[in-house]
Amino acid sequence: GAGVSQTPSNKVTEKGKYVELRCDPISGHTALYWYRQSLGQGPEFLIYFQGTGAADDSGLPNDRFFAVRPEGSVSTLKIQRTERGDSAVYLCASSPGVGNAYEQYFGPGTRLTVT
Amino acid sequence: KQEVTQIPAALSVPEGENLVLNCSFTDSAIYNLQWFRQDPGKGLTSLLLIQSSQREQTSGRLNASLDKSSGRSTLYIAASQPGDSATYLCAVLDNYGQNFVFGPGTRLSVLP
Repeated sequence: GAGVSQTPSNKVTEKGKYVELRCDPISGHTALYWYRQSLGQGPEFLIYFQGTGAADDSGLPNDRFFAVRPEGSVSTLKIQRTERGDSAVYLCASSPGVGNAYEQYFGPGTRLTVT
Repeated sequence: KQEVTQIPAALSVPEGENLVLNCSFTDSAIYNLQWFRQDPGKGLTSLLLIQSSQREQTSGRLNASLDKSSGRSTLYIAASQPGDSATYLCAVLDNYGQNFVFGPGTRLSVLP
């Protein structure tokens, strides 16, 4: 079946602009995660959804970052007033459930460049 | 706060060698540990998941072990091939949240 998809694959924006990044999880997966990966580093957790609600948003760096999952499937990560330091690859993952037996399945990521 | 480290940061070996990648974590209260592979410019591919009650998992030429008490996991790759060249990341799912904490990865190059 189809895996996790993310759009766009690349996004270049000017400092101060607003961007939206989209994630389509694997059908039926209830848990959805957003991560940010800087060059040469492992992914860093941003936010996790169980269904429609954000179960843990402790990784969001500041209030310019916001994410939604209104129908419990597709999720959008929104970044306001982008800064050059926001440049990174944003990864989305989904999982069939929550618990120690469930793997996370990752999308290819969106590479965000803020100029 | 959980911290995950990986040694070595980079490794270059000739084709056919067996090799071991190391992962350490500071808080042993984990739900599971997952090893991933990441090719340049790509997302992460899951290799093996070890639940907290398990000691090891095997898939083909890969074997991962987990020692929770010492905060360590190893990924053993047998008979390495050039196609194994990638960055290998370990991540732990800790008991305090539902997110993974990742290590920085080991960049592996297998030379033909």
